[in-house]
Amino acid sequence: DGGITQSPKYLFRKEGQNVTLSCEQNLNHDAMYWYRQDPGQGLRLIYYSQIVNDFQKGDIAEGYSVSREKKESFPLTVTSAQKNPTAFYLCASTSARDTQYFGPGTRLTVL
Amino acid sequence: QKEVEQNSGPLSVPEGAIASLNCTYSDRGSQSFFWYRQYSGKSPELIMSIYSNGDKEDGRFTAQLNKASQYVSLLIRDSQPSDSATYLCAVNLPWGTDKLIFGTGTRLQVFP
Repeated sequence: DGGITQSPKYLFRKEGQNVTLSCEQNLNHDAMYWYRQDPGQGLRLIYYSQIVNDFQKGDIAEGYSVSREKKESFPLTVTSAQKNPTAFYLCASTSARDTQYFGPGTRLTVL
Repeated sequence: QKEVEQNSGPLSVPEGAIASLNCTYSDRGSQSFFWYRQYSGKSPELIMSIYSNGDKEDGRFTAQLNKASQYVSLLIRDSQPSDSATYLCAVNLPWGTDKLIFGTGTRLQVFP
């Protein structure tokens, strides 16, 4: 069953804590993306990766880090430097002609 | 600043009517255009993609693209209460970046 999986579905972070969000795809897509969505706002790009071992900052990369060691995996770490991390985080991957498909998302809440 | 603009709504239509959602974009070089549907608390789901001027139909959905006027629209015929969701317009950034710019979405409400 092909698709994009994200885990966990819900995540709670304490002040000063780093947390890592998982994103895995078995669609053989080269490019992967991380977005953040806040209530009433559009999707904002955090990081993206077009090939393994390479990634670029998006519009709001401060306080986040990523890695792309495998084609299938693109984990996102929310560091303690991100002062307002409560949001809905979406991972996507791209097939032909820029078409992006999304995982189910991770909802992060700061306690 | 590359922009994609949508009316936030809500757009309220009765069941069975045609819902018309509109989107304008700023970058004349954009070539790929997408409509996503997002139910509350869920991730966006691709509905339509369109790349050429004119209309593209898929079931009850029709996407319309006018590159000269820089707008793209989505028509939903025979609207159903299950169509109630937020509809996101997305446009690619040209020059091979594989990046999309998303609008903030239009909330559609279909009432019985």
